[in-house]
Amino acid sequence: EVQLVESGGGLVQPGRSLRLSCAASGFTFDDYAMHWVRQAPGKGLEWVSGISWNSGSIGYADSVKGRFTISRDNAKNSLYLQTNSLRVEDTALYYCAKDSDLEYSSGWLDYWGQGTLVTVSS
Amino acid sequence: DIQMTQSPSSLSASVGDRLTISCRASQSIRRYLNWYQQKPGKAPKLLIYDASSLQSGVPSRFSGSGSGTDFTLTISSLQPEDFATYYCQQSYSTPIAFGQGTRLEI
Repeated sequence: EVQLVESGGGLVQPGRSLRLSCAASGFTFDDYAMHWVRQAPGKGLEWVSGISWNSGSIGYADSVKGRFTISRDNAKNSLYLQTNSLRVEDTALYYCAKDSDLEYSSGWLDYWGQGTLVTVSS
Repeated sequence: DIQMTQSPSSLSASVGDRLTISCRASQSIRRYLNWYQQKPGKAPKLLIYDASSLQSGVPSRFSGSGSGTDFTLTISSLQPEDFATYYCQQSYSTPIAFGQGTRLEI
């Protein structure tokens, strides 16, 4: 059974940082691209970042480019999102999602975690 | 960047109804269109990929069609568990983009 478990969220002041993690199990992690997708309270889904199976291709939404960094450790079956210079508008539930393909740019998101909540507030 | 626009934004329907949700891309995305269902407090669930392929385990009352810029999700006979929010998503080019969602209410 595929499982994706996010952690690392919390309450943080504007300008500070958080590192989100996603622990994957139930599939061969290094055969698939992975993504972070977020959802602000009461709002729709927003793609944040994607990473290919070998970290060779990485992409970001314009809203987080230069502030967030996605990475993965295939030996640990883990995905990460380093979030720096956090803003109030980054407040959201952050989902980890598995891609159907090796590359992050052309597949579909077939499994999702339950999310970790990031709240940015002074 | 490609923009995805869904219509309607919300919809009221009854059990047994047939309904269609539309999704339009700002430029051609061929058939790189996926549909997700999200229930309150839950993670999104993949329903349809590549415009018309049914994800394993998804009931056959769900179907998708379209290519280029115009796509539809059809539910042939609404069941109580189908009342949720539905999102389309393009995977033709980066940045990946979701539609704004269609909320389906009883």
